[in-house]
Amino acid sequence: EADIYQTPRYLVIGTGKKITLECSQTMGHDKMYWYQQDPGMELHLIHYSYGVNSTEKGDLSSESTVSRIRTEHFPLTLESARPSHTSQYLCASSQGTAFGEKLFFGSGTQLSVL
Amino acid sequence: KNQVEQSPQSLIILEGKNCTLQCNYTVSPFSNLRWYKQDTGRGPVSLTIMTFSENTKSNRRYTATLDADTKQSSLHITASQLSDSASYICVVSDRGSTLGRLYFGRGTQLTVWP
Repeated sequence: EADIYQTPRYLVIGTGKKITLECSQTMGHDKMYWYQQDPGMELHLIHYSYGVNSTEKGDLSSESTVSRIRTEHFPLTLESARPSHTSQYLCASSQGTAFGEKLFFGSGTQLSVL
Repeated sequence: KNQVEQSPQSLIILEGKNCTLQCNYTVSPFSNLRWYKQDTGRGPVSLTIMTFSENTKSNRRYTATLDADTKQSSLHITASQLSDSASYICVVSDRGSTLGRLYFGRGTQLTVWP
């Protein structure tokens, strides 16, 4: 069982609201990620971090922002939510191995913007 | 273009039966391939990793194969159980111990009926 936690699990909000999705891990991993997943579709990387004070945009253009002030915490913020932001958001951290990174995922936040 | 294609998109089998899921990829240069299991409403969990030199690897009732020449992998599930109902995602990495690019398939949705 991975020690990575996301809150809230479900969120329904109105258009224009500011929201923050929380993600915390207790495994001491330096690398953390945010993925967006729609039903039946592949995961898309929207942000990642190599460590404290390091953040990068991923492959999928996103209007969200992230911060990494502490190793264990990697929150994602949407300043003004829109219906197009409705999706599942998965946070992950990774452990480097000789064969590449092994991802540990949280349970996700299902966001619905009305 | 680097891609990961999985088939079938969905599969229904009876409890106790075997099944095989397919993953074809065009990712190059290839580093490793992981199979993840994603239960409904949860984040993906790593089942197994296949590197370039490995042809077959087993993890309990899961057996993964890799043919690096044809760029194909399969995940065979033996004596299926109801708890095997999930989405199985193939993820291919194009680099080793450094943070390489990950390419995700769309997954195969497996349903096991009693």
